Amino acid sequence: EVQLVESGGGLVQPGRSMKLSCAASGFTFSNYGMAWVRQAPTKGLEWVATISYDGSSTYYRDSVKGRFTISRDNAKSTLYLQMNSLRSEDTATYYCTRARYWGQGVMVTVSS
Amino acid sequence: DIQMTQSPSSMSVSLGDTVTITCRASQDVGIYVNWFQQKPGKSPRRMIYRATNLADGVPSRFSGSRSGSDYSLTISSLESEDVTDYHCLQYDEYPWTFGGGTKLELK
Repeated sequence: EVQLVESGGGLVQPGRSMKLSCAASGFTFSNYGMAWVRQAPTKGLEWVATISYDGSSTYYRDSVKGRFTISRDNAKSTLYLQMNSLRSEDTATYYCTRARYWGQGVMVTVSS
Repeated sequence: DIQMTQSPSSMSVSLGDTVTITCRASQDVGIYVNWFQQKPGKSPRRMIYRATNLADGVPSRFSGSRSGSDYSLTISSLESEDVTDYHCLQYDEYPWTFGGGTKLELK
């Protein structure tokens, strides 16, 4: 059974950093590109970043470029999202996804 | 960026209805459109991939179609479990973009 389990969310002050993790199981993680998608409270879905299967290519939405870094450790079957210089508008539930499969989401609240 | 204009944003429906939700792409995205269902407090569930393909385990009352730059999700014989939110996604080009979402509500 495929599982994606996010962790690392919580309350953080504006300007600070936070790192999300997504532990994958039930499939050969190193064969698949992965993505982070977020959803602000009561809002729609918003794509954040994508990484290729081997980590050689990464893509970001403009509003997080230069602040967020997507990475992966294929030996640990884990996806990461390093978020720096966080803003109130980054407040959202963050989902790890492999298109067909989605994690349960982790809430990130940026507030003083 | 490619805009996915989703309509309607909300719809009042009755059980047994046939419901169609549409996303219009601002430029060509080919077949690279997915449809997701999302229930309150839950993760999205992929219902349709590559515009017209039914995802595994999805009931056959769901279908996807394409007409030019218009992509549609149709639910036939609407059941109570279908009354929730739906989102389209284009993944032909970065940045990937979602439609604004459609909320189905019972009359």
